Amino acid sequence: SQQGEEDPQALSIQEGENATMNCSYKTSINNLQWYRQNSGRGLVHLILIRSNEREKHSGRLRVTLDTSKKSSSLLITASRAADTASYFCATGTGNQFYFGTGTSLTVIP
Amino acid sequence: GAGVSQSPSNKVTEKGKDVELRCDPISGHTALYWYRQSLGQGLEFLIYFQGNSAPDKSGLPSDRFSAERTGGSVSTLTIQRTQQEDSAVYLCASSLDTGSTPLHFGNGTRLTVT
Repeated sequence: SQQGEEDPQALSIQEGENATMNCSYKTSINNLQWYRQNSGRGLVHLILIRSNEREKHSGRLRVTLDTSKKSSSLLITASRAADTASYFCATGTGNQFYFGTGTSLTVIP
Repeated sequence: GAGVSQSPSNKVTEKGKDVELRCDPISGHTALYWYRQSLGQGLEFLIYFQGNSAPDKSGLPSDRFSAERTGGSVSTLTIQRTQQEDSAVYLCASSLDTGSTPLHFGNGTRLTVT
């Protein structure tokens, strides 16, 4: 499978703590994207990192990419209850996007 | 509209019936994708349209599934002779271009086959 795989499958933290999610993939990529999905909704794009980039920031989000290890991490700092959602990585190859099975994050107020 | 619109939001159908799911992409987006998400699972790619090019149908699970995109805009996903294993959320996404631009998702159609 070309899908990314997120780790852990589920994560529960206290509000204010940082949350780290990892994504591993199998093939060469052009870019890697992270999405958030709230229950019963579609996915919302968070951040895109290109294969020639190593780190990218957006607000409280920090994404790293290690193409030699075929892995990426998403760090959410100072988490809030509203960050409770599922998080997916998607690897872009040509015209295709392959999604992982997601990390379910619960932030406890 | 401001975002990707899918209809219906929920569909319950009897096994063996045909269903049509509709997707209205963001105006000007040339790429359109259909994904299927089963309960607690990731997204399974179904089909991809880009402009006037032939669609990439490599993800369609069987010949009961088909999709079209009329006039480069609205897309319809059709499932014939539905089976219980077709029950899932069907998500549509569009993007400005392919491969390197973010996908904008609709809220999906939850299909339940009884």
